[in-house]
Amino acid sequence: GESVGLHLPTLSVQEGDNSIINCAYSNSASDYFIWYKQESGKGPQFIIDIRSNMDKRQGQRVTVLLNKTVKHLSLQIAATQPGDSAVYFCAEFGGSNYKLTFGKGTLLTVNP
Amino acid sequence: DTAVSQTPKYLVTQMGNDKSIKCEQNLGHDTMYWYKQDSKKFLKIMFSYNNKELIINETVPNRFSPKSPDKAHLNLHINSLELGDSAVYFCASSPTTRVSGYTFGSGTRLTVV
Repeated sequence: GESVGLHLPTLSVQEGDNSIINCAYSNSASDYFIWYKQESGKGPQFIIDIRSNMDKRQGQRVTVLLNKTVKHLSLQIAATQPGDSAVYFCAEFGGSNYKLTFGKGTLLTVNP
Repeated sequence: DTAVSQTPKYLVTQMGNDKSIKCEQNLGHDTMYWYKQDSKKFLKIMFSYNNKELIINETVPNRFSPKSPDKAHLNLHINSLELGDSAVYFCASSPTTRVSGYTFGSGTRLTVV
């Protein structure tokens, strides 16, 4: 379960609204940027990735935007559903060692 | 048909003990990892093995020793457990060709008392 005083950034939305989760990254040399969803008691689950030479990529109900000028990444979730409630992480991926560097998570709560 | 499985799911143990966490993947991936998630949900890589060879060791205390008997297994042994080792440990695996194939296990919650 969640720890007391978790102090994660939180986003609370109504079911059916669109959600935008933001992330700042540090390494300009990263090859890919990825969004993961982590539900309670589970491991991170891949949502969508974007290559560093792109600025937008769309998936099913999700869009990732990459702004390399300000080192900013965002995840947009359309028509948010209660099942979208989770902690969302951005991650950077690059180099030959296949290491993921995670950002601070954001707790998304969807109210029915 | 679990892709990345780790055992045990929960582990409660006393300070000073030695414990192991096991991980197995059936995805045919070449690379396996251990990540640590602290109480603030921050995820950080500890180790990475590619085809049984250590390729990442991120300033982890010597009390932590990964072992990869084959490409499908990466175990984590921890000696002389300390209170600060309490965390959730995630095993992961990835192919060398697709970042989207990076797959995590469901985690082992270690509590040191």
